[in-house]
Amino acid sequence: ETGVTQSPTHLIKTRGQQVTLRCSSQSGHNTVSWYQQALGQGPQFIFQYYREEENGRGNFPPRFSGLQFPNYSSELNVNALELDDSALYLCASSLDVGASYNEQFFGPGTRLTVL
Amino acid sequence: GENVEQHPSTLSVQEGDSAVIKCTYSDSASNYFPWYKQELGKGPQLIIDIRSNVGEKKDQRIAVTLNKTAKHFSLHITETQPEDSAVYFCATVGGGFKTIFGAGTRLFVKA
Repeated sequence: ETGVTQSPTHLIKTRGQQVTLRCSSQSGHNTVSWYQQALGQGPQFIFQYYREEENGRGNFPPRFSGLQFPNYSSELNVNALELDDSALYLCASSLDVGASYNEQFFGPGTRLTVL
Repeated sequence: GENVEQHPSTLSVQEGDSAVIKCTYSDSASNYFPWYKQELGKGPQLIIDIRSNVGEKKDQRIAVTLNKTAKHFSLHITETQPEDSAVYFCATVGGGFKTIFGAGTRLFVKA
């Protein structure tokens, strides 16, 4: 059984550019959540996908969008990058939805730097 | 809005001593309270969790207590070891499955 993996590990972009981050869920997991973790802060919930549909969203603007594929891998897309988007982006996978007790398994994150 | 406050932000203890981290939350719908440990260069890892119908849970050196009336919960680590040094996050999960994290506690265990 493989854990949650993310790519790339590090990324440097400039303001105004677009970025796509990728996440491969743990085997058998059908739910993925994305988080933004600024330096020295706790992760902030961006959105969650369950069986390819957005299941919930945090306080992030529409330029943050996502996709979940039939194999339950996922992408986070950010358009019109701003300096404040510099952060560690984490994805977490879990099995099922319908109970809030489902344990989330986090990937190692993608460190995005916006210059 | 939903908010989780975590204290202290930094905690330094001697090896073998106990460490306590406290969190308060605002969302009454919260019913699941996980604690995560994050080491450098890694994602958060679940170390213990508690559900709203339970007041206390223990797993070896780690214990968590929950007071739903007061809306606070705490993490207790006994007999701390240098490998316990990391950043610890409390979190709450409510009916919307949205996980709200505290700001984190950086724990240093001095050998």
